Amino acid sequence: AQKVTQAQTEISVVEKEDVTLDCVYETRDTTYYLFWYKQPPSGELVFLIRRNSFDEQNEISGRYSWNFQKSTSSFNFTITASQVVDSAVYFCALSEWGGSYIPTFGRGTSLIVHP
Amino acid sequence: EAQVTQNPRYLITVTGKKLTVTCSQNMNHEYMSWYRQDPGLGLRQIYYSMNVEVTDKGDVPEGYKVSRKEKRNFPLILESPSPNQTSLYFCASRSNQGETQYFGPGTRLLVL
Repeated sequence: AQKVTQAQTEISVVEKEDVTLDCVYETRDTTYYLFWYKQPPSGELVFLIRRNSFDEQNEISGRYSWNFQKSTSSFNFTITASQVVDSAVYFCALSEWGGSYIPTFGRGTSLIVHP
Repeated sequence: EAQVTQNPRYLITVTGKKLTVTCSQNMNHEYMSWYRQDPGLGLRQIYYSMNVEVTDKGDVPEGYKVSRKEKRNFPLILESPSPNQTSLYFCASRSNQGETQYFGPGTRLLVL
């Protein structure tokens, strides 16, 4: 069975600090996808990134970067030089081939960026 | 514009009064699902549908019904709402090839 753990319930930083949100997953499948979503205070869920299990390349998009490591079953998300607009709840999710790609979400990490 | 829409966005109702939350997508996606989000519990799946006339229970289906008569629509029905169904509800869709799931804007439901 698939499982996603976001051990950090809440993180508080000051603007311009770098911050890493952890995501650890469990799966018996070799074919799966990993996702990150952002939920700002307005409530909508915004897709950030998708990674498939055969692509361990790290990805950078502006101030956002993702570190996918199969050896540790982790898919961590780093925000460089955080800004107040980054304040949101961030969800990590996993969907696996054996589970018909029905996703499982972590419980989310609330990031608060203080000015 | 590709999107998932939900209506209503906000709803206050009373215990026992049947309600329906509509969900519609214009991306020709086969897969649709409903989630509820509660503080500290993250997103939990209520029901999902792999295609028209194919629905199945998620993790927390009690007290909910769904139907999938058309590919684009996937309404969530609460036959007799109770206060413990007060929550934020999301509809989502994706293709059956396992790609990204796209979410609607959410429906905030308060059951008194």
